[in-house]
Amino acid sequence: ETGVTQTPRHLVMGMTNKKSLKCEQHLGHNAMYWYKQSAKKPLELMFVYNFKEQTENNSVPSRFSPECPNSSHLFLHLHTLQPEDSALYLCASSSRGLSTGELFFGEGSRLTVL
Amino acid sequence: DQQVKQNSPSLSVQEGRISILNCDYTNSMFDYFLWYKKYPAEGPTFLISISSIKDKNEDGRFTVFLNKSAKHLSLHIVPSQPGDSAVYFCAASAAGANNLFFGTGTRLTVIP
Repeated sequence: ETGVTQTPRHLVMGMTNKKSLKCEQHLGHNAMYWYKQSAKKPLELMFVYNFKEQTENNSVPSRFSPECPNSSHLFLHLHTLQPEDSALYLCASSSRGLSTGELFFGEGSRLTVL
Repeated sequence: DQQVKQNSPSLSVQEGRISILNCDYTNSMFDYFLWYKKYPAEGPTFLISISSIKDKNEDGRFTVFLNKSAKHLSLHIVPSQPGDSAVYFCAASAAGANNLFFGTGTRLTVIP
């Protein structure tokens, strides 16, 4: 079992659909993150959860809704997305936070919004 | 505005030679720097890091150099191997901050 697993790996959705991305970490970490990677742009931090509590929301539109039911699972609920939201969404976890700890990434969920 | 910049989108190097990947940053509060490597269809994986109290950190074939006055860091890979072909991301953070800022990546191709 890999450390951080994401499903689905690929998702195509219309602008009126509701879908969810799932992330699970098997590393015993207490922090989980959602990052967005758009073409030719740096990875952008979207959400941070520490011990299941959201501690950061980087001005992400409300059409993205995160959920962290426990320290091992993280969801990203998607609703009425726009074509410009098409990107690779990466989940990551860490044991020591963002300022000094390394992140363990999943393989990503490639989202296409039609 | 990007706080971490990798100005070279790609680099090609012969096998056995040195690969040098560069990264510049603008935020003087950054005190911890990391390099990640990403293969196609995989997530980024941590490669090496350096704290601002050091100017060099070495791990096998990989060495990261930090020049704080120039706000510049570089990753040296010696000798380069075909398996090193990947996209390399530079990242930086500040103590107490709840964010890790990434560059846009440099695609390294090591030619056998």
